[in-house]
Amino acid sequence: DGGITQSPKYLFRKEGQNVTLSCEQNLNHDAMYWYRQDPGQGLRLIYYSQIVNDFQKGDIAEGYSVSREKKESFPLTVTSAQKNPTAFYLCASSIQGAFEQYFGPGTRLTVT
Amino acid sequence: AQTVTQSQPEMSVQEAETVTLSCTYDTSESDYYLFWYKQPPSRQMILVIRQEAYKQQNATENRFSVNFQKAAKSFSLKISDSQLGDAAMYFCAYRTTGYSGGSNYKLTFGKGTLLTVNP
Repeated sequence: DGGITQSPKYLFRKEGQNVTLSCEQNLNHDAMYWYRQDPGQGLRLIYYSQIVNDFQKGDIAEGYSVSREKKESFPLTVTSAQKNPTAFYLCASSIQGAFEQYFGPGTRLTVT
Repeated sequence: AQTVTQSQPEMSVQEAETVTLSCTYDTSESDYYLFWYKQPPSRQMILVIRQEAYKQQNATENRFSVNFQKAAKSFSLKISDSQLGDAAMYFCAYRTTGYSGGSNYKLTFGKGTLLTVNP
């Protein structure tokens, strides 16, 4: 089955620790995206990548980092510099230039 | 910058009835795409319907249809014969075509409308 996987579903970390969220897709999509969702808010773009070894900052990139070494994978690192890291994180992918984005199931990150 | 506004934080509908969710947006572009996404309690984002701005005909997908008013920058979603499984958060989203020079195909989302379906 083709799709997007995100792991783990729930993640807990202590303040001051970096944490990496996984996103893998087997849809052969060129473009991948990371969004953050907070209660009562829509999704906001953190980073996106349109091709391997290239990525751009979205609207709220501060405190986050990404890599795109493989077409299938786009991991997101939440660093200790992110002031309010507790949130629901969604990964998405799309065919380059296509209309819609397809989303993974998300990871709920809680930092205490 | 584009903005998307959903003025109804919550809506409710009786099973088998029809409900309309509102969405307005602001843009200076003439060509773009609009979407409605559904987020059920599982939190998986599911594409419901899409509309290309250059198409005058309103998009339809089974029980879901849109009323796209380009001049008014309005994009409402109508759900007919509502079912219990339609209960979810619904998000309206905007996407540039990128032809204006930007390479960012990001989606700009509204804050969502929580739809409750009563049996």
